[in-house]
Amino acid sequence: EAQVTQNPRYLITVTGKKLTVTCSQNMNHEYMSWYRQDPGLGLRQIYYSMNVEVTDKGDVPEGYKVSRKEKRNFPLILESPSPNQTSLYFCASRPGTSLTDTQYFGPGTRLTVL
Amino acid sequence: ELKVEQNPLFLSMQEGKNYTIYCNYSTTSDRLYWYRQDPGKSLESLFVLLSNGAVKQEGRLMASLDTKARLSTLHITAAVHDLSATYFCAGSPSTSGTYKYIFGTGTRLKVLA
Repeated sequence: EAQVTQNPRYLITVTGKKLTVTCSQNMNHEYMSWYRQDPGLGLRQIYYSMNVEVTDKGDVPEGYKVSRKEKRNFPLILESPSPNQTSLYFCASRPGTSLTDTQYFGPGTRLTVL
Repeated sequence: ELKVEQNPLFLSMQEGKNYTIYCNYSTTSDRLYWYRQDPGKSLESLFVLLSNGAVKQEGRLMASLDTKARLSTLHITAAVHDLSATYFCAGSPSTSGTYKYIFGTGTRLKVLA
């Protein structure tokens, strides 16, 4: 089944404890992206990747890191999480750079930073 | 800088009624997307609108794009309970190629029986 998977789905952690949220897609998509969703703010793009080893900042990259060493994986790293990073995180992928390409979203990771 | 605004933020409507969700954007956007999110779930792509005058329809939902007015609309015809969800529009700044997405805050739609 074609899908985007994220792990973990739920995470409660403490301020300053490094964590990684994994994202994997099995559709051979070139483009992957991370978003955070907060009440009243919609979704905001954190980082995106156009292909392996090619990443760029979205609107809210501060406090996050990403890497794209393999086409299928795009982990989101929080080196020193803070309470303002408590949010619902979505990973998405899409085939390539065509204007008509649609994004496929993962199930989401709910992160709480105490 | 592209900004995307949706209204209304909340919409409660009776089954069988028609209504429209509006999505305004501030600067040129190469394309306009509509997504649906069911409560507690992920997002699902509904429509991609590429050019002025574009209209897409799927079931009771119809989306249109007016690039001169910088406005997209999502029209709901004869609403049914299954359409209850949050709907997001998103644009992509022309300067970013096809890589950045700017989302609106969403419209939470509740269809009452």
